Amino acid sequence: QQPVQSPQAVILREGEDAVINCSSSKALYSVHWYRQKHGEAPVFLMILLKGGEQKGHEKISASFNEKKQQSSLYLTASQLSYSGTYFCGTENPCFGNNRLAFGKGNQVVVIP
Amino acid sequence: KAGVTQTPRYLIKTRGQQVTLSCSPISGHRSVSWYQQTPGQGLQFLFEYFSETQRNKGNFPGRFSGRQFSNSRSEMNVSTLELGDSALYLCASSLRTDSYNEQFFGPGTRLTVL
Repeated sequence: QQPVQSPQAVILREGEDAVINCSSSKALYSVHWYRQKHGEAPVFLMILLKGGEQKGHEKISASFNEKKQQSSLYLTASQLSYSGTYFCGTENPCFGNNRLAFGKGNQVVVIP
Repeated sequence: KAGVTQTPRYLIKTRGQQVTLSCSPISGHRSVSWYQQTPGQGLQFLFEYFSETQRNKGNFPGRFSGRQFSNSRSEMNVSTLELGDSALYLCASSLRTDSYNEQFFGPGTRLTVL
């Protein structure tokens, strides 16, 4: 049930782009993306829904391929503040609404 | 709007003791979910409460229990603590309990079991 996130870690320079991925073996209702900085709570970034709707609060874009049960998060023109661990949480109809299964995370380090 | 609050922020207990953690959701949010975060297992779903009823439960032993009050505040209890219960316990609040809900996390309670 736990989605698989890749790559495990990314190091990029300020201004560079990166893509991080989340893949599930199960059908999904939605994919939720969070960023967690060390010692802090995960912060909601975006939710992607079946049918293509997106709801987000950051200037970070993402895609959701329902057929492939995959989501990708695009970090464009990265800023130092983008550093942190990114988690995807997936919502699967078999396990009930509003219950998220999280991947192990993608660690992103942005350097000057 | 105030965010999700959790108390206490840190707890140190010994094996065999029990502990109660508290979570106050965002005003107007009626659903509270609890997650355990450890370096090895990551974020794992414990349970969700909505309108004082447990709506969903993860794969944790019966030592882990919770409840929700009429004002949507929730408590989580762990009895007979084990060393492996050391973790960051996060609660997340959302407006509803159906699908496609944004969940907002609190700062967490760091539990250390000695």
